[in-house]
Amino acid sequence: EVVLTQSPASLSLSPGERATFSCRASQSVRRYLAWYQQKPGQAPRLLIYDASTRATGVPARFSGSGSGTDFTLTISSLEPEDFAVYYCQQRADWPPYTFGQGTKLEIK
Amino acid sequence: QVQLVQSGPEMKKPGASVKVSCKASGYSFTNFVINWVRQAPGQGLEWMGWIDPNTGRPTYAQDFTGRFVFSLDTSVTTAYLQISGLKTEDTAVYFCARVMDAGVEINWFDRWGQGTLVTVSS
Repeated sequence: EVVLTQSPASLSLSPGERATFSCRASQSVRRYLAWYQQKPGQAPRLLIYDASTRATGVPARFSGSGSGTDFTLTISSLEPEDFAVYYCQQRADWPPYTFGQGTKLEIK
Repeated sequence: QVQLVQSGPEMKKPGASVKVSCKASGYSFTNFVINWVRQAPGQGLEWMGWIDPNTGRPTYAQDFTGRFVFSLDTSVTTAYLQISGLKTEDTAVYFCARVMDAGVEINWFDRWGQGTLVTVSS
C-alpha cells in the first residue's frame, strides 16, 4: 500500500502570503496524485489532479507540481476562503486510493 | 447540474444496521462509478470502495469487507451504503463521491455528496 505523508501537519499564514504543502509517497505514484480542499462541515473539493492539472473552476492561484514520490501544492497568494484542510490522494497502486493525513491551513 | 445528495444523520445503537443513500442527478447515472469514503471525527479520509452502476459490481477496500455492503437502485439513480453489526468505531461521516470520467473504474473524485454522519452509541 502506498503511504502518503503530508507536511507540515499545520501551517499558520496571513492572507496574501504564499502557502506551500508537501506530499511524499512511500513509492512512486508517477503523476497519479490529486489535491483536495476540505472546509469544516463540507465535503472535500477536487483542486488538482494528475499532479498539476487544475480542476474545473479552481482559481489560478492554486498550482501543483511533482512526480514520482514528491509533490507540492502551492497557493500563490492566500485569500480568506483558502483556510481549510488540504489532502493529497494517489491512484497509482492497489488499494487504488490512499489519502495523506492532511495539512491544516490556519489564519495567522 | 451534477449533484449527489445524501440522506440525513443517523443515530444507532451498537449491533444495529444503517443504510445511507446517495441520490445522483444531473448526469447519466450508470456511466460513472460511485465511491464511498469514511471520515472519523477529527480524522482524515479513508477510501471504502466503489460500486459500478453499469454492472452493479462492488469493490471493497480490505478494511471494509463483511459488514459493509454497497448497492444500487438505478430506477431512482441512487447508491446505498449499508453497515451491519454497527460498532462505536463506525461513528463517522460517510461520503459518496463520483469519479471524474465516464466508463472508468479508477479516477479522481470530482463530485461529492454532502456527507452523512452516522453516530453509534449505547
